Amino acid sequence: KAGVTQTPRYLIKTRGQQVTLSCSPISGHRSVSWYQQTPGQGLQFLFEYFSETQRNKGNFPGRFSGRQFSNSRSEMNVSTLELGDSALYLCASSPRTSGGPYEQYFGPGTRLTVT
Amino acid sequence: AQTVTQSQPEMSVQEAETVTLSCTYDTSESDYYLFWYKQPPSRQMILVIRQEAYKQQNATENRFSVNFQKAAKSFSLKISDSQLGDAAMYFCAYRSDLNTGNQFYFGTGTSLTVIP
Repeated sequence: KAGVTQTPRYLIKTRGQQVTLSCSPISGHRSVSWYQQTPGQGLQFLFEYFSETQRNKGNFPGRFSGRQFSNSRSEMNVSTLELGDSALYLCASSPRTSGGPYEQYFGPGTRLTVT
Repeated sequence: AQTVTQSQPEMSVQEAETVTLSCTYDTSESDYYLFWYKQPPSRQMILVIRQEAYKQQNATENRFSVNFQKAAKSFSLKISDSQLGDAAMYFCAYRSDLNTGNQFYFGTGTSLTVIP
């Protein structure tokens, strides 16, 4: 099976702009989670989607939003970019969300730089 | 909310030696899962090992094993016969067994250097 793919791999944006990142989960996986990774902060949970519904949301401002499509592909959007949004954004997919020690499979990430 | 703490930002080990990475967590739940993930410099996170909280036996995967102390809420990772390819950032993670979604809680990571 193909792994989790994320596009684009690298992005450079200017403050105030908006950006959309895309994630394609492993075939058959219906749960997609997004994380922001910055040095010293580790991975901070953004949100999780399952069957097109947002199930959990982390403590991020409303500028961060996401959605999931019927084919389980997911997008996240960040509006009005700030310098502090520069980070590696990781997407992870999982076959289920409960009932067992299901791991999350991570994509390679999108490196976002805001100037 | 659950919290995961990795108190060692950096660790180093001589090749072929053994190293232990520490992780503690805080939860009021009785059923949950714990994971160790590895993130090499290429950035792709991969699972190293997992542990179900209801299992008393410590999980083992080849050179990787854990010391799971449920009462102490401790979940350390032991790497035996360290190899150069083990150099990476290691993250400890917690996931609830409740049907509340698939949110993983990660520690801040431990950067492991393997010295030839």
